[in-house]
Amino acid sequence: ETGVTQTPRHLVMGMTNKKSLKCEQHLGHNAMYWYKQSAKKPLELMFVYSLEERVENNSVPSRFSPECPNSSHLFLHLHTLQPEDSALYLCASSQDFEAAYEQYFGPGTRLTVT
Amino acid sequence: GEDVEQSLFLSVREGDSSVINCTYTDSSSTYLYWYKQEPGAGLQLLTYIFSNMDMKQDQRLTVLLNKKDKHLSLRIADTQTGDSAIYFCAETSSNTGRRALTFGSGTRLQVQP
Repeated sequence: ETGVTQTPRHLVMGMTNKKSLKCEQHLGHNAMYWYKQSAKKPLELMFVYSLEERVENNSVPSRFSPECPNSSHLFLHLHTLQPEDSALYLCASSQDFEAAYEQYFGPGTRLTVT
Repeated sequence: GEDVEQSLFLSVREGDSSVINCTYTDSSSTYLYWYKQEPGAGLQLLTYIFSNMDMKQDQRLTVLLNKKDKHLSLRIADTQTGDSAIYFCAETSSNTGRRALTFGSGTRLQVQP
């Protein structure tokens, strides 16, 4: 148990659906991250939030929309996804957005787009 | 851009030592990490090393860093079946303003009883 929880753990959605992934951290951290882990690529950083402000957006398609309402919660809103978006989506948090701070990962949401 | 490479698969017998290797390209890498991912779970930080160190030992884990060759290794002594997982090497740098982690593709370690 890392102190980072994600819901749902599994999600199946059609290409026309809208859904949201939720991440919550109970560690008092100031930085939160979304990563995508697909079968054929290394773990890819999608978004970084530091003190509720987005500080990195790695050329992610607009069908993924992050939201960070406070430092404990991070959402990833999904809209008109493609089958190639099927992957494990991992949330992480760290004390601050600096290299020295360890990132703690949640268990991930396994997303399947049909 | 930055690149981290690992071999995809390693199989060892229970009780043997495992050595998982990683190479990286960014000479400004400051922190190097090893993460473990068990089936159905997120990534768990195992250990990390600063670039000004050559070696770090933590119980059964030994990390070796050859900064000249940009080579990082993780040695697991007395490997157990519970060590079967995917191991990810990751690096970041505090020198270039790029502070997020860059991960390798992961090495799947299979421990045979």
